[in-house]
Amino acid sequence: GAVVSQHPSRVICKSGTSVKIECRSLDFQATTMFWYRQFPKKSLMLMATSNEGSKATYEQGVEKDKFLINHASLTLSTLTVTSAHPEDSSFYICSAMRSGSYNEQFFGPGTRLTVL
Amino acid sequence: KQEVTQIPAALSVPEGENLVLNCSFTDSAIYNLQWFRQDPGKGLTSLLLIQSSQREQTSGRLNASLDKSSGRSTLYIAASQPGDSATYLCAVEAYSGGGADGLTFGKGTHLIIQP
Repeated sequence: GAVVSQHPSRVICKSGTSVKIECRSLDFQATTMFWYRQFPKKSLMLMATSNEGSKATYEQGVEKDKFLINHASLTLSTLTVTSAHPEDSSFYICSAMRSGSYNEQFFGPGTRLTVL
Repeated sequence: KQEVTQIPAALSVPEGENLVLNCSFTDSAIYNLQWFRQDPGKGLTSLLLIQSSQREQTSGRLNASLDKSSGRSTLYIAASQPGDSATYLCAVEAYSGGGADGLTFGKGTHLIIQP
């Protein structure tokens, strides 16, 4: 149990377009999901906390108008990178926290975004 | 601000050896600590979670310890195998009085097990 999926796994887009990434908890409900970003050879950095039915909480330095997060159901959170630019190219990973599991987070497989 | 450090950054050992990966964190007010494995270009696989009130957790050949007061955790891998080759990440969740927090990650230890 505790499987998290992400779609797409890989996306290449032109500069200026918007890209939506989906994160789904497949076999459990997650009131809280998290979005992380990982640059090459760097550690994962928390971008935002996504709470079902409320606005996301963004970490300092993360532009909320750039990275739109929607957590409309207990099994789905989406991250939309708006007007993407080459510097947004990165590996984006989501996690979902399973209730009653001592806040253990289960991670999706990640999405590789390349902006040309 | 919480900082997580992992030592060594890279490690290469022959198959069969027992090894220890180290993790330290600056703020001892944590809710839990997790060890993950990451294969190249892949997402994370959770290995072990240690609650702040616990001292250690074991899963198969893996044993993780936690000394919260000193801000340290170790991941012990017994009888290493080539399939253990991966990057191992340590992450802590801050204690926020009930709410859920994101994790603060170390930069990882890149482990290579030589056949």
